[in-house]
Amino acid sequence: EAQVTQNPRYLITVTGKKLTVTCSQNMNHEYMSWYRQDPGLGLRQIYYSMNVEVTDKGDVPEGYKVSRKEKRNFPLILESPSPNQTSLYFCASGLKGTNYGYTFGSGTRLTVV
Amino acid sequence: GQSLEQPSEVTAVEGAIVQINCTYQTSGFYGLSWYQQHDGGAPTFLSYNALDGLEETGRFSSFLSRSDSYGYLLLQELQMKDSASYFCAVRDQYNFNKFYFGSGTKLNVKP
Repeated sequence: EAQVTQNPRYLITVTGKKLTVTCSQNMNHEYMSWYRQDPGLGLRQIYYSMNVEVTDKGDVPEGYKVSRKEKRNFPLILESPSPNQTSLYFCASGLKGTNYGYTFGSGTRLTVV
Repeated sequence: GQSLEQPSEVTAVEGAIVQINCTYQTSGFYGLSWYQQHDGGAPTFLSYNALDGLEETGRFSSFLSRSDSYGYLLLQELQMKDSASYFCAVRDQYNFNKFYFGSGTKLNVKP
């Protein structure tokens, strides 16, 4: 089944404790991206990647890192999480240049206390 | 930058037609997309308008008018399962890989 898989689905952590949210896709997509979703703000793009070793900042990259060492994986790293990073995170993937939408993962609900 | 505005909530009855509007202020963009998201679920792609006019996909249609900086999603023959949030989105004209989403419209379908 074609899908984007995120792990974990839920995570509660403490301020300053480094964490990684994994994202993997099995559709051989070049393009992958991370979003955060907060009430009343919709989805905001954090980082995206056009291909292996090619990443760039989205609209809200502060406090996040990403890497793209393999085509299928695009982990999101929070080196020192803070409470304002409490949010619902989505990973998405798609063919490069497509206009016809992207496939989203099921989401990761992160709480930083 | 990009700014997209949608009504926060719309209520309609089963079998009716509902229109969800999206007005935008952008410096330029490549087309308007629409996504559906059920509570607790992932956004799923519904439609895309590259050019002005109406695009139809089954019960759903989407419209774009660049001159009016306006688009809408039209849902016909509403079903209870259409209760969800709907987001419009644009991709930046100067960076094809950057996306901007509206804040979403929650559609409540009542019997």
